[in-house]
Amino acid sequence: GEDVEQSLFLSVREGDSSVINCTYTDSSSTYLYWYKQEPGAGLQLLTYIFSNMDMKQDQRLTVLLNKKDKHLSLRIADTQTGDSAIYFCAEREGRDDKIIFGKGTRLHILP
Amino acid sequence: KAGVTQTPRYLIKTRGQQVTLSCSPISGHRSVSWYQQTPGQGLQFLFEYFSETQRNKGNFPGRFSGRQFSNSRSEMNVSTLELGDSALYLCASSLGNSPLHFGNGTRLTVT
Repeated sequence: GEDVEQSLFLSVREGDSSVINCTYTDSSSTYLYWYKQEPGAGLQLLTYIFSNMDMKQDQRLTVLLNKKDKHLSLRIADTQTGDSAIYFCAEREGRDDKIIFGKGTRLHILP
Repeated sequence: KAGVTQTPRYLIKTRGQQVTLSCSPISGHRSVSWYQQTPGQGLQFLFEYFSETQRNKGNFPGRFSGRQFSNSRSEMNVSTLELGDSALYLCASSLGNSPLHFGNGTRLTVT
């Protein structure tokens, strides 16, 4: 089946930029998403990008999509302690519209 | 507008029992999806309902079932519980092809 992969951990110093990477396999994906999960909570939608776009910026967040390499990244500028969470990449499959998630990247902020 | 509501928040059951979890979507959302979240497997897609019909199904055994009512509220049922069913069960609703909006989940512990 289709798959979404992302690294499990990332440590970043407060004030630096964080870049979380994701790869996916479905070449017919229609939308790609980034979600944030804080302890004890569900997933909160951060941003998403349509598959025919290559970049989207929303305040501190920048999403880059390389459709040829099936690579998605999320850049968080000026990372703060409140950004500490698990970040999930997800794709909406073109074939059956299912949304498939990666295993999540735990972002740890160093003081 | 109220978000996605899942009840109960926590549940403790014994092996062999069955359990029913409930989800009320955002008003106007007709699609409801269910996911199982465990530390080892991440978010695994269970099923999606739209207008009372199951539209998509993941790779879970028949012990996992769901349904959707005419008011778009959804329930999922797990019969003959196993220890490995211990997880956070997340429900999400969406409007058409819009992103998923998640509830805070039901934490199920099977002893």
